Amino acid sequence: EVQLVESGGGLVKPGGSLRLSCVASGFSFSSYSMNWVRQAPGKGLEWVSSINSDSTYIYNADSVKGRFTISRDNAKNSLYLHMNSLRAEDTAVYYCAKSLGWNFDCWGQGTLVTVSS
Amino acid sequence: EIVLTQSPGTLSLSPGERATLSCRASQSIGSNYLAWYQQKPGQAPRLLIHDVFTRATGIPDRFSGSGSGTDFTLTISRLEPEDFAVYYCQQYDSSPPTWTFGQGTKVEIK
Repeated sequence: EVQLVESGGGLVKPGGSLRLSCVASGFSFSSYSMNWVRQAPGKGLEWVSSINSDSTYIYNADSVKGRFTISRDNAKNSLYLHMNSLRAEDTAVYYCAKSLGWNFDCWGQGTLVTVSS
Repeated sequence: EIVLTQSPGTLSLSPGERATLSCRASQSIGSNYLAWYQQKPGQAPRLLIHDVFTRATGIPDRFSGSGSGTDFTLTISRLEPEDFAVYYCQQYDSSPPTWTFGQGTKVEIK
């Protein structure tokens, strides 16, 4: 069974940093692109960042360019999102999602990031 | 950037009824890069339909997708109690690679 478990969320002050992690199991992690998608409280879904299987291609939404960095460690079956210069509008549940082609076929349960003073 | 607009915002229906959800793109979507997701309260989204009309693994056949160009539809032929949820359409643009979601349609019990 495919499982994605996110961690690392919490309360952080504006301008602060946070690193999210996603541990994968139940599939060959190193063979798939992975993604981060976020959802602000009571709002819709917003794609954040994507990374291909060997980290040679990385794509980011304009809203996070220059502030967020996606990375992965295939030896640890882990995906990361390094978030810097956090703003109130970054407050959201952050989901890790596995790619199937261009689709997101499996999702974790999410980790909540709250940016507030 | 392609913008997806979903309608209606909320659909109030009874179990057993047919649900028709619309997703309109601001410009033509190429290569069938259109998907639908279902999200229930407190849960992660679930992939329902990809490539416009292909059901994801384990998705019942009461869910169907259709459309082309800028107009797409998700149809639930007969609503089951577990189908009341929020539905999002999503598109992929390859130049440069970006993914965009619609704002969602809530299907609620009438």
